[in-house]
Amino acid sequence: DVKVTQSSRYLVKRTGEKVFLECVQDMDHENMFWYRQDPGLGLRLIYFSYDVKMKEKGDIPEGYSVSREKKERFSLILESASTNQTSMYLCASSSPSDGSFPPYNSPLHFGNGTRLTVT
Amino acid sequence: GDSVTQMEGPVTLSEEAFLTINCTYTATGYPSLFWYVQYPGEGLQLLLKATKADDKGSNKGFEATYRKETTSFHLEKGSVQVSDSAVYFCALTERSGNTGKLIFGQGTTLQVKP
Repeated sequence: DVKVTQSSRYLVKRTGEKVFLECVQDMDHENMFWYRQDPGLGLRLIYFSYDVKMKEKGDIPEGYSVSREKKERFSLILESASTNQTSMYLCASSSPSDGSFPPYNSPLHFGNGTRLTVT
Repeated sequence: GDSVTQMEGPVTLSEEAFLTINCTYTATGYPSLFWYVQYPGEGLQLLLKATKADDKGSNKGFEATYRKETTSFHLEKGSVQVSDSAVYFCALTERSGNTGKLIFGQGTTLQVKP
């Protein structure tokens, strides 16, 4: 089974702090994603990466950056945390080469989420 | 841009009741459609998918049919169980590229009572 592991389940940070959220997958997937989940808004894409050192902005990238130095690890960085970044953050991975056709139909495999509170 | 709209929840049903969760979409292209489920304390997992018009996705007793004429992908189950209590997300992906980038609806919470 694919395993996507997020380093923290709960995190409490202060306004202005630099925050790192880590995600690791163990299935050699090319694609990795960061979403945030808020009540009534569903999941919104922050950033995604389709290869090492590659990144693309999603729908709400402002206030965030990402790093992908190794294929299995995708980090989300909040440069200066603010209270409006209090949310559940979900990491996901997928592989266009998992046999699904077309390749963009490959299922996403999600981690269990990190609930971040910024005070 | 593309979007997905789901019925508002929570939906509360008794065990063995029939379930329908409505989902409609707006897309400029010809998307593939998905239902994901999130059980309490867990991440999302794929429940079913359909990649072209009139396709029916099914899994664990759940079904959804891709209706292009009504731009809908409603989720149904004939007899729900307490263990089906979860949040259900409808999603679409565009037919381009290979990144599997998904656009999600807002989610519908289902509560099943014994």
